[in-house]
Amino acid sequence: DTAVSQTPKYLVTQMGNDKSIKCEQNLGHDTMYWYKQDSKKFLKIMFSYNNKELIINETVPNRFSPKSPDKAHLNLHINSLELGDSAVYFCASSHPRGRYNEQFFGPGTRLTVL
Amino acid sequence: SQKIEQNSEALNIQEGKTATLTCNYTNYSPAYLQWYRQDPGRGPVFLLLIRENEKEKRKERLKVTFDTTLKQSLFHITASQPADSATYLCAAGGSYIPTFGRGTSLIVHP
Repeated sequence: DTAVSQTPKYLVTQMGNDKSIKCEQNLGHDTMYWYKQDSKKFLKIMFSYNNKELIINETVPNRFSPKSPDKAHLNLHINSLELGDSAVYFCASSHPRGRYNEQFFGPGTRLTVL
Repeated sequence: SQKIEQNSEALNIQEGKTATLTCNYTNYSPAYLQWYRQDPGRGPVFLLLIRENEKEKRKERLKVTFDTTLKQSLFHITASQPADSATYLCAAGGSYIPTFGRGTSLIVHP
C-alpha cells in the first residue's frame, strides 16, 4: 500500500545523457511536486502540478521537463545531464485543503552524474 | 530573501532526555510551520503543523511552539529514544508549498 513511489531508486549515468524518473501516488491527491535535495541537504521545490497542469516552475534549467499524464503520475525527464544535477530527487503529493498542506514524499531517487 | 535556518550541527543527547530543536526564519512571516522527520535514504515524513495563531501544538511525545515575535519555532521530543535519531526538517509557508530548512540531525544515545 505504497503511498508515493518513485523509480528508479538509484540512477548512475554519464554526463550528456538523457534520463527519466517516474513517480506515482495512490493517495488520490490533486497536487504533485518535484523537489531536489542537494549534498547540503536543502530541499528545494522544482515543479508543482495540480490536476495535470503546471502551476509552479521554480528557476530550473529547461533541460528539466516534467510530464503529468494523469493526476496520479508525475514524471521528470532530464536532458543533457550535467555534473551539478547529481542530487536526490523527491516526488511528493498533497491534497490542498486550504493553505496548510502536508507533503507526502516518495523514497527519493539518487542521481549520480559521472 | 526568505530564510529558514536550523542548526547545522548534530544534536547529541542521552536517552530519556528532552531533545529541543530550533527553527528560525528571517525576512518572512509564515502562516504556518511544519516539522518533518527524515531518515537516511528515505523521504521526509510529516510530523506536526502549527499555524501562526497557535502558540503550541502537541502530539504524543512531540511538542512544537511558534513564537512570531522571536521568529522562531521550537520542536521538543520528550523521553527521547534511540529510535528518534533522524534528521528533523522545519518548513515554513504562506502559500501551500512550504520552504524547507536544511534540517538538524538528532542522535539519541542509549
